Amino acid sequence: EAQVTQNPRYLITVTGKKLTVTCSQNMNHEYMSWYRQDPGLGLRQIYYSMNVEVTDKGDVPEGYKVSRKEKRNFPLILESPSPNQTSLYFCASSLEGTRGYNEQFFGPGTRLTVL
Amino acid sequence: AQSVSQHNHHVILSEAASLELGCNYSYGGTVNLFWYVQYPGQHLQLLLKYFSGDPLVKGIKGFEAEFIKSKFSFNLRKPSVQWSDTAEYFCAVNAPTLSSGSARQLTFGSGTQLTVLP
Repeated sequence: EAQVTQNPRYLITVTGKKLTVTCSQNMNHEYMSWYRQDPGLGLRQIYYSMNVEVTDKGDVPEGYKVSRKEKRNFPLILESPSPNQTSLYFCASSLEGTRGYNEQFFGPGTRLTVL
Repeated sequence: AQSVSQHNHHVILSEAASLELGCNYSYGGTVNLFWYVQYPGQHLQLLLKYFSGDPLVKGIKGFEAEFIKSKFSFNLRKPSVQWSDTAEYFCAVNAPTLSSGSARQLTFGSGTQLTVLP
């Protein structure tokens, strides 16, 4: 089954403790992206990747890092989490193809709480 | 940069009522438009999309949307809602003529929570 998976689905942590949220897709998509969803703000893009070893900042990149060493994986790293990073995080992927015309497929989400 | 406004934050309807959710975007260039739905506890799913051609777009589950370029709008409609349509609905836009990476960036509205009463 074609899908985007994220782990963990739920995470409670404390300020300053480094964490990684994994994202994997099995559709051979070139483009991958991370969003955070906050009430009243919709989804905002954190980082995106056009392909292996190619990443760039989205609208809200502060406090986050990403890497794209393999085509299928796009982990989100919080080196020193803070309470304002408490949010629902979504990973998404799509084919490269003609710019912007391909549907983005979303993962199930990771609910992160930073105490 | 583009932006998206969804003015209805929470809509409550009875079953069989008609639905229209507003979406306005601000961007002067070519846009692709999307409506996504998020059922409780689930991930976002694409309802429908508009790239070009007929401005009236039909999607899954009986939803449709109309692109009105002069009004910068892409409102979502359904003639008769069901209890199972209870979900959060997001309008999104991207600008395909921008440079490669930015062309794929989806800008989302803040979402509209739809509650359908049985």
